[in-house]
Amino acid sequence: GIQVEQSPPDLILQEGANSTLRCNFSDSVNNLQWFHQNPWGQLINLFYIPSGTKQNGRLSATTVATERYSLLYISSSQTTDSGVYFCAVERSYNTDKLIFGTGTRLQVFP
Amino acid sequence: NAGVTQTPKFQVLKTGQSMTLQCAQDMNHNSMYWYRQDPGMGLRLIYYSASEGTTDKGEVPNGYNVSRLNKREFSLRLESAAPSQTSVYFCASGTGYTEAFFGQGTRLTVV
Repeated sequence: GIQVEQSPPDLILQEGANSTLRCNFSDSVNNLQWFHQNPWGQLINLFYIPSGTKQNGRLSATTVATERYSLLYISSSQTTDSGVYFCAVERSYNTDKLIFGTGTRLQVFP
Repeated sequence: NAGVTQTPKFQVLKTGQSMTLQCAQDMNHNSMYWYRQDPGMGLRLIYYSASEGTTDKGEVPNGYNVSRLNKREFSLRLESAAPSQTSVYFCASGTGYTEAFFGQGTRLTVV
């Protein structure tokens, strides 16, 4: 099956810092999403981004499908950004299996 | 606008007991999924359903059964619970080509 690797596994930042999270995948995909799992366990949709670039406030994401990676940028981080960030992908030939990466745990301190 | 609703939110079972986790979505999605998340780990796919009447195994199907009752509802059954099934269970729905949305999760403890 498709492999999804995220880096770094852990990230500790001070409030106001910027960061880049990476998601590598081993096969072509037609669906790629970024999620934030907050400290209460809730999964929050951030981006649906199988290709291209999107921005939403302090967050932006870029997927380069031909090179099989996606990046999530967090600027001016806040303590509320803490939690685990997951990317999830589905292979191009419509397997309907949404497979998650192992996540990046982010801690933002004041 | 409820989205994806899971019941119950919390459950404690004794080893060998059975239970069914319920999931319903109101977004008219074709695809529905069940995942489990163990402490400190990512989500692993248990079963998924690409459309009403079809179900397929995911990464970790052993010990579970599912039913796609209709387009809205997708249930997960544990026939004989084991301590290794202690986990947080998430249901999700999507169209397969757009965003998937997740329920709030069910925290299951098997003692």
